[in-house]
Amino acid sequence: DAGVIQSPRHEVTEMGQEVTLRCKPISGHNSLFWYRQTMMRGLELLIYFNNNVPIDDSGMPEDRFSAKMPNASFSTLKIQPSEPRDSAVYFCASRSRVESSGELFFGEGSRLTVL
Amino acid sequence: GQQVMQIPQYQHVQEGEDFTTYCNSSTTLSNIQWYKQRPGGHPVFLIQLVKSGEVKKQKRLTFQFGEAKKNSSLHITATQTTDVGTYFCAGRRSARQLTFGSGTQLTVLP
Repeated sequence: DAGVIQSPRHEVTEMGQEVTLRCKPISGHNSLFWYRQTMMRGLELLIYFNNNVPIDDSGMPEDRFSAKMPNASFSTLKIQPSEPRDSAVYFCASRSRVESSGELFFGEGSRLTVL
Repeated sequence: GQQVMQIPQYQHVQEGEDFTTYCNSSTTLSNIQWYKQRPGGHPVFLIQLVKSGEVKKQKRLTFQFGEAKKNSSLHITATQTTDVGTYFCAGRRSARQLTFGSGTQLTVLP
């Protein structure tokens, strides 16, 4: 299996621009998570989906952030408009309901820089 | 809300020395997981502990879950340069999702 696939790996944009991050979870995994990692705040859960349905988006910072999962193999995290404080590494992770360990499989991350 | 504190934030050790990182939760956990993130990489799952007082070993790594299920530790015996990275604990309370600790960044000096 190719693992969780994220794109782009790096994104540099200017303040006010729209940013879309993409994620393809591991096939067969039914839960998908978006995390943000910064030096100051560590790993923060933004939102997670079960069976393509958003379950908890309480970690989404504000209305500028939105996430969708139109099908089991694709999710997007959108920031519009972007701000410099959004600069971070955004990780997508997926998990199998069947796997008893509850292991999260992380993608390699999307490093976002907002100038 | 639930908080998971992890100490120390940074640790430098000489190769061959032991290393321990500690994780404390403000609430009782149903389980705790440990992850390792290499520099520039992504978190990779190491283990999950579920039972009170549980101890698990993976080669030179020993993981413990406290009796009260509010704290945990990861101990590495005789560190190697390949152990370099940031170690995160992540606790889960009942049906909630994981809350990650702040991580301990380990540097191993050759």
